[in-house]
Formats: sequence, C-alpha cells, structure tokens
Amino acid sequence: DSGVTQTPKHLITATGQRVTLRCSPRSGDLSVYWYQQSLDQGLQFLIQYYNGEERAKGNILERFSAQQFPDLHSELNLSSLELGDSALYFCASSDGTGGYNSPLHFGNGTRLTVT
Amino acid sequence: EDQVTQSPEALRLQEGESSSLNCSYTVSGLRGLFWYRQDPGKGPEFLFTLYSAGEEKEKERLKATLTKKESFLHITAPKPEDSATYLCAVGGGGADGLTFGKGTHLIIQP
Repeated sequence: DSGVTQTPKHLITATGQRVTLRCSPRSGDLSVYWYQQSLDQGLQFLIQYYNGEERAKGNILERFSAQQFPDLHSELNLSSLELGDSALYFCASSDGTGGYNSPLHFGNGTRLTVT
Repeated sequence: EDQVTQSPEALRLQEGESSSLNCSYTVSGLRGLFWYRQDPGKGPEFLFTLYSAGEEKEKERLKATLTKKESFLHITAPKPEDSATYLCAVGGGGADGLTFGKGTHLIIQP
C-alpha cells in the first residue's frame, strides 16, 4: 500500500459531461502529481502541485484543470469529455518539490470510461 | 523533448531464467532515472533511482544499472511473482514531471 488514496476507482460517464477525480497524498507529502495512462500512450504527466501551488504543467488539455487544497488533497477536473479521454488517471505524491531525491508514490488510479 | 524507449515490449521467461530489460533515453540534463513495477489494476510501485553513469542498485533478484544512454534492469533467477510490467522513467530538462517509457510486460512461467 503506497499510502496514496484515489477515489472513485471507476467512473463511467457520457461525452460532454464533467467529472472530478480526488486524491489524498501520503501523510507528510507536499507534492501531488497527476498522470494519464492509456494503452497507446503510456503514462503521460499532466500537472504537479506543491503545497497548494501549481509547480509544473505537462500535456494537460485546456478542458482539464486541477487544484490542491489546504489539507493537501487534490482534485482533477475533466470537462467536455470526449471518447478519447477514456483512460486510467493516476495520482502520485512525494515529499520533495521535484521528485528526484524522493520518489513518486502512486495511488491505484481511477479508471474513466467515456461512452 | 525527453524520450524513453523500452525493449522488449513483452518478455516471457521460465522460472529461474535470468534476463535483462532495456531502457534507452534521450534527455537534456539527466536528473534521475527511475524504475517502477506495475501490477495489473495497480499503480506503479517505485523500485530504484539512478543518478549518474556507472551507478548500480540492487533489490532482491533485481539489479539496475545506468550508462549515459541507457539503463538495464537485470533479473536473476526470476520467480512467477516477478511477473509485472516494468516501467522506466527519466527526469530532466526544465520540467518536473517524469517522462515514462511504455514498459516491458514480463511473464515468468513456473
């Protein structure tokens, strides 16, 4: 058990809808990362927050947004959903700012299916 | 742009048959190379971090090595419980997010 909790485990929704994915990091970790994993693309970095502030952005679509709250949990909001957004979404946390001296610890993901 | 290529895509071994997985990378200023293990339906589990060419790390039947262009994950006398997808990732350039390869799906047959 990595200590990172993601909810829900599964989500099925229709095109055009909006969903929110939630992540609670390991106790004491200040950094939260969001990744998307699809069969053809592998794990793609979306965005990182450190202690409530956005720190780095990867291949995140404008339809997607995230935030980290004062209690350090994070939410990833996906809107105007398309079929191609179907994927596994992982949250990871670390106790550092960049993850190089302290590894990323991943949750078990949210499987999103857009129909 | 950072790039990571893993080979082979899939590998089937008999229990006890040692082998190596390859991770080739291109990065502007390597800040760390990471190996993760991912089981079906689970998130990646951290195995090793390597920072400079020549560095080696070991854990049970696994040993990771690093050169300036690639990393190898050597698996010695594997057991069926070593079956998983092994992911390689690099951190570098100006971004803080890791760039992952697509992984090697390893199956160890009893």
